[in-house]
Amino acid sequence: AQKVTQAQTEISVVEKEDVTLDCVYETRDTTYYLFWYKQPPSGELVFLIRRNSFDEQNEISGRYSWNFQKSTSSFNFTITASQVVDSAVYFCALSEAGTYNTDKLIFGTGTRLQVFP
Amino acid sequence: DAGVIQSPRHEVTEMGQEVTLRCKPISGHDYLFWYRQTMMRGLELLIYFNNNVPIDDSGMPEDRFSAKMPNASFSTLKIQPSEPRDSAVYFCASSLRTGPYNEQFFGPGTRLTVL
Repeated sequence: AQKVTQAQTEISVVEKEDVTLDCVYETRDTTYYLFWYKQPPSGELVFLIRRNSFDEQNEISGRYSWNFQKSTSSFNFTITASQVVDSAVYFCALSEAGTYNTDKLIFGTGTRLQVFP
Repeated sequence: DAGVIQSPRHEVTEMGQEVTLRCKPISGHDYLFWYRQTMMRGLELLIYFNNNVPIDDSGMPEDRFSAKMPNASFSTLKIQPSEPRDSAVYFCASSLRTGPYNEQFFGPGTRLTVL
């Protein structure tokens, strides 16, 4: 079965703290893609990153970094030195792209991050 | 590019009324997706189209919901008759199929309230 689990419903931190958002996935496929989207209070969903199943290199983009570990089926997202503007709901998503390719994105339930000044 | 455009942004209607939500995908994108977001169920895929043809409508909740894509630049999601439990934010997204993955670009959403 294909499934994305974001066990953390809500996280609150104080500005400048580092915070890690967890994502665990299940898939039947050997080829798949993982995504993170951000949904700020304004409501739109903003694409942050895409990772394919053959590339386990960690990625860093400014204060954002992603840790992909196939051994634990996890794709965690870390924000370093968090800022108030990081307050949003963050969604992890999975797309199976091999034998079970259906063109669908399967979303987790999201983690609400609140960053207080 | 203007991104995915949805209208209206907010809709308030009374139970039993017909509701039509509209979406214009990004030009050149050949996949279009309709999602519904609620607190209880999170983000649910309702239906998606490829080259204007519905591919999978298994997420459509019931016969009261219908979706069409008459051309590559326009799609509608209709609810008739509407019920209070249909209150949600409805998102449209589009993607360009350039490989075995699909980065989806989302519209701003339509917040529907059925009284």
